[in-house]
This record gives sequence, structure tokens and C-alpha cells, in this order.
Amino acid sequence: GESVGLHLPTLSVQEGDNSIINCAYSNSASDYFIWYKQESGKGPQFIIDIRSNMDKRQGQRVTVLLNKTVKHLSLQIAATQPGDSAVYFCAEATYNNNDMRFGAGTRLTVKP
Amino acid sequence: DVKVTQSSRYLVKRTGEKVFLECVQDMDHENMFWYRQDPGLGLRLIYFSYDVKMKEKGDIPEGYSVSREKKERFSLILESASTNQTSMYLCASSTVWRGKETQYFGPGTRLLVL
Repeated sequence: GESVGLHLPTLSVQEGDNSIINCAYSNSASDYFIWYKQESGKGPQFIIDIRSNMDKRQGQRVTVLLNKTVKHLSLQIAATQPGDSAVYFCAEATYNNNDMRFGAGTRLTVKP
Repeated sequence: DVKVTQSSRYLVKRTGEKVFLECVQDMDHENMFWYRQDPGLGLRLIYFSYDVKMKEKGDIPEGYSVSREKKERFSLILESASTNQTSMYLCASSTVWRGKETQYFGPGTRLLVL
């Protein structure tokens, strides 16, 4: 079946370094992608999204890159801070479709 | 800001008990969802609702039912709780705006069934 997945289940970085979290998707019909951050004991929180007609979108300290050719999505966090430690999920959906699929998540740990 | 609240953060129930999990959103969203989250399995959709009194099965509806009597409230019911329903339960709501639908999540309810 088609699924949303992550390359790495865990990622550990030094404070101040840049982080890159990857996500592979296999549904070529997906045209909307979201990254969520989930801190311990809390629900997922929206970070940034991107439509399939774009290949890059920037937010505050975060950038999402979309490579439709290889069905790959990444989240880049600049100057990673201890408060960035969390589990990060990617999610995919199709236009006006309520069926959103989530990846299993990558745990990011920021070392001081 | 969208606010999605869940009635309990932690619940401990016994096998066979009937369990109600309540979710309320304050953004007049049409869509509401219930997921369970288990280590290594990510988020799995149990049920969702497009409108009041409407419901659709998700990927794992067995052992659960839902109720949506008001637009802002979506309840998840475990008719007879079992130990394999021990999990984190997450409620979400969404609307479609400019062709995009982003789901906003509540804080979660961690349910332990003994």
C-alpha cells in the first residue's frame, strides 16, 4: 500500500547547528504536505506546509523542500535550539480531501 | 488561534468499562477527527466527521463509536474498553481554506485500560 514514511527515526544535533529531517511519500496524487511538531505530552502542532506547485517554502527558522521527482520532503531547521527538541511528523493529503496520512515521526534531540 | 480541547489529559479505566472522550473546537471547523497514537505506528485515524450528525470510519474503527451532535463537539466512545485500547488519543479539527486543509490538534488524552 501507499504510505508516508521517514528515513530516520531519531536525529541528534548540537545546539546552533542546522537540522534536516526527511520524509518519503509514495502517493503521487498527494499535493499538499504539512510538517507537525509534537513536544512531549502535547498534541502535534502545525509548523509549515507546502503545496505541490512549489518546491520550497520558508518560515521563521524553518524551510520545507519538496522534490516531487523522487517523492521526498524535508524540513530544515536553522540554528537549532533546545526548544526544538520534539518529534516531527510529515503529513500528506490531496486537494480538498480530508484523508490526511501521517508519517511515524522523527525524534529530534538538541544537545547543549 | 485555533483551540482544540480534550476533556481529560489522563484516564485510567478498567476492562469492560464504557469510556467517553470529549473534544471541543472553537473555530467553527466543519471537520473533526479522532486518532490514536502508538509508539512506532504514528497517527492512525479512527473516525472522522464532515458535519453535524455525520461520521465516517477511518482506518481502525473497530471497538469505537463517535457522536457529533453539535458542530463544535466530537465524542469518541469506547463501548467496552479493552487493554489493547491503551493509547494516546488525539482529536483534531480542520476546515478547507484557499484549497488547503490543515488539521489542528488537541493536547491528547492518555488512556490506560487495566
